[in-house]
Amino acid sequence: QKEVEQDPGPLSVPEGAIVSLNCTYSNSAFQYFMWYRQYSRKGPELLMYTYSSGNKEDGRFTAQVDKSSKYISLFIRDSQPSDSATYLCAMIRDNYGQNFVFGPGTRLSVLP
Amino acid sequence: DARVTQTPRHKVTEMGQEVTMRCQPILGHNTVFWYRQTMMQGLELLAYFRNRAPLDDSGMPKDRFSAEMPDATLATLKIQPSEPRDSAVYFCASGLTRQGRNEKLFFGSGTQLSVL
Repeated sequence: QKEVEQDPGPLSVPEGAIVSLNCTYSNSAFQYFMWYRQYSRKGPELLMYTYSSGNKEDGRFTAQVDKSSKYISLFIRDSQPSDSATYLCAMIRDNYGQNFVFGPGTRLSVLP
Repeated sequence: DARVTQTPRHKVTEMGQEVTMRCQPILGHNTVFWYRQTMMQGLELLAYFRNRAPLDDSGMPKDRFSAEMPDATLATLKIQPSEPRDSAVYFCASGLTRQGRNEKLFFGSGTQLSVL
């Protein structure tokens, strides 16, 4: 079993839909959680960065962390065709100098 | 607009040739990572440095891969000799480590490597 699991998709939704992207993880040592967006032929770019359980909102994006269930989510409201990309979750442990662990990514297509 | 710069963007080479990829991290960042991305494996960590010192290179095939930071503005990843299975996109990322904790990671645009 991989440390971080993510449904690879592809996920297709109509423009304006609410999108829910999810990751599960197995190691309770993970403390910091991130969502990256990766457009085709580009590097991942940081969307959201969270610590601790709960919600964090930034514009149309909401990141949710449930440490008791080892489950994180990214919600996209009023999805746009420009949101079409691969979304990767990432997490790091709360200790010294450990590396980031990435999920495999979910490919999202928002259809106009 | 600060960003991580990688060169070359694309590289096509023949099996057995040496390949060198370069990365300029964001000014002020003290941690540099090298990742490889493939469809099958996703993002795999190859090596990372803090304050130019290698901290972890366990993800690299040691017999053919080497990573260095000659100075704070340049990181290199070298493959010698290259093999077709090395074909992938190689990403460099930089970040700032404070109080022992890695903070946000910023990626370059990657080097698309094809080994024929």
